[in-house]
Amino acid sequence: SQKIEQNSEALNIQEGKTATLTCNYTNYSPAYLQWYRQDPGRGPVFLLLIRENEKEKRKERLKVTFDTTLKQSLFHITASQPADSATYLCALGRGSYIPTFGRGTSLIVHP
Amino acid sequence: GAVVSQHPSWVICKSGTSVKIECRSLDFQATTMFWYRQFPKQSLMLMATSNEGSKATYEQGVEKDKFLINHASLTLSTLTVTSAHPEDSSFYICSANNALAGAYTDTQYFGPGTRLTVL
Repeated sequence: SQKIEQNSEALNIQEGKTATLTCNYTNYSPAYLQWYRQDPGRGPVFLLLIRENEKEKRKERLKVTFDTTLKQSLFHITASQPADSATYLCALGRGSYIPTFGRGTSLIVHP
Repeated sequence: GAVVSQHPSWVICKSGTSVKIECRSLDFQATTMFWYRQFPKQSLMLMATSNEGSKATYEQGVEKDKFLINHASLTLSTLTVTSAHPEDSSFYICSANNALAGAYTDTQYFGPGTRLTVL
């Protein structure tokens, strides 16, 4: 069965640095991949979608890459700020199938 | 735009009682809404897909008689946890697709979630 792996350990970085989060998957060929932000006790908020034929997508300080050979997506936040501290979820989907979510990685940006 | 609300945001109930959670799309129509459950530090687990005007589609292992879903209009879906027990305590989140945009590849707009605690 398909499996999505996100680092369960929290990522601690210093303000101003670039945060890089990883989403790996196996036994699946997603047509697209999404990244969401989730704050404690809140629902996820959509950030970016990247399709299988796209290598990279950017939005302001965010950058997502999608390597279908490595079966991996990297999510970058440049010039990170304490306000970026949250849990970031990746979700994979294909066609009419409902996306499957990873369990997320917690990012903590220290001032 | 594309705001989804949930009510209540939290609820505490006694074991054996039923609890209803509402999910509303405030500024768009949603023919399809989704109900998820999330335990601490776990991923979102899809419980069911709620379709306006028809029966919900439940994921494997989710008891449809325990988790009643009604999607009576294009802006409202409800989840009723019947005869709740402590093991049903969790964070319940709904999401919706914008009906005009269509397919599941489009953004899912999530509600803020409902924290259910069953004593």
